[in-house]
Amino acid sequence: KNQVEQSPQSLIILEGKNCTLQCNYTVSPFSNLRWYKQDTGRGPVSLTIMTFSENTKSNGRYTATLDADTKQSSLHITASQLSDSASYICVVSDRGSTLGRLYFGRGTQLTVWP
Amino acid sequence: EADIYQTPRYLVIGTGKKITLECSQTMGHDKMYWYQQDPGMELHLIHYSYGVNSTEKGDLSSESTVSRIRTEHFPLTLESARPSHTSQYLCASSDLTLTYEQYFGPGTRLTVT
Repeated sequence: KNQVEQSPQSLIILEGKNCTLQCNYTVSPFSNLRWYKQDTGRGPVSLTIMTFSENTKSNGRYTATLDADTKQSSLHITASQLSDSASYICVVSDRGSTLGRLYFGRGTQLTVWP
Repeated sequence: EADIYQTPRYLVIGTGKKITLECSQTMGHDKMYWYQQDPGMELHLIHYSYGVNSTEKGDLSSESTVSRIRTEHFPLTLESARPSHTSQYLCASSDLTLTYEQYFGPGTRLTVT
């Protein structure tokens, strides 16, 4: 069964600190892995998309890594800000589907305290 | 910021009412989607469309229906709302690049009393 598991479920850090969120998946075949940020009451916004051949991708203070062999990904946030408080969702797309089928994790709820 | 819009943003209605959730995008995307999301849970695909006059049911069974008469418009309708329909409904559209980047609207928070 294709699944996407994220950890931790929730995380609280102080402003200015770094943190790393984890994503493990069993989706096969694999096309790409995305990280989305979802603010409370809003739709998800894409942070990064990585294909099979990419190991790391950055978007400002966000850096995502991908190990396609172990089927693991991480999202590292540096110098956290209050505005980083949100749910971070890992999404994996399978290959060969004209729909571009997406498998969603439940997200990690990050809270940044001042 | 993606050019995809949803109205209303919040809706509280009584059981048995008919409702339509609106979704429109100005990016010219052929593919559009409706997702349902409960608090702390993953998004579930309930409907999708490849283009005008094309609609399909998603992975999660839903009593809602959709239509796609125009490329930019993908409304979702519930003929008779029930408390079990209380949820957040997210609309999305995607481009035709290899990664099928999906752009999400802000969502409609529906509460059925």
